[in-house]
Amino acid sequence: GESVGLHLPTLSVQEGDNSIINCAYSNSASDYFIWYKQESGKGPQFIIDIRSNMDKRQGQRVTVLLNKTVKHLSLQIAATQPGDSAVYFCAENAPGNQFYFGTGTSLTVIP
Amino acid sequence: ETGVTQTPRHLVMGMTNKKSLKCEQHLGHNAMYWYKQSAKKPLELMFVYSLEERVENNSVPSRFSPECPNSSHLFLHLHTLQPEDSALYLCASSQEPRGGRDTQYFGPGTRLTVL
Repeated sequence: GESVGLHLPTLSVQEGDNSIINCAYSNSASDYFIWYKQESGKGPQFIIDIRSNMDKRQGQRVTVLLNKTVKHLSLQIAATQPGDSAVYFCAENAPGNQFYFGTGTSLTVIP
Repeated sequence: ETGVTQTPRHLVMGMTNKKSLKCEQHLGHNAMYWYKQSAKKPLELMFVYSLEERVENNSVPSRFSPECPNSSHLFLHLHTLQPEDSALYLCASSQEPRGGRDTQYFGPGTRLTVL
């Protein structure tokens, strides 16, 4: 089956620093990717998405980078704030319109 | 708020009980999903409904029974569950009838504990 993995299960950053969360995917034919944020006690919240015809996409304080050569996805959060503390996970849309989700990286922002 | 609501938010039930989880989406979407989220595991897709028709069932045990009476409502009926079924059950919806390359929006989930 498909697998979407995250390199680090936990990440701690100082408030104001930039955060980088990584994700590896296994299916080179996947053509759509999403980053979700899940705060404690809540459901996953859409952050940003990217299609495979792009390498980079920017949102408000967030940037997603896609490297199809090595099947790697990253989420960059600028000027990380305490409210950014959450679990972040990526999802890939593989052939057959099936979404596969990673296990998540827990981001802790230190004030 | 994501526009997808779920009730109840917390549920504790015995193995012989029958209960139902409810999901409602206010986004005008055409597809709805049930996921199971267990600790330190990826989201597991359970059921997909597109235009009120079940299009996918990922080999879920029959003790879980979905119902989609219309495009805005989705239920998950539970009976004779096992303790290992304890998890966060998430409902999601998306615009496209068959999901796919389209963002899924999630509800807050129901935290289920089976005693």
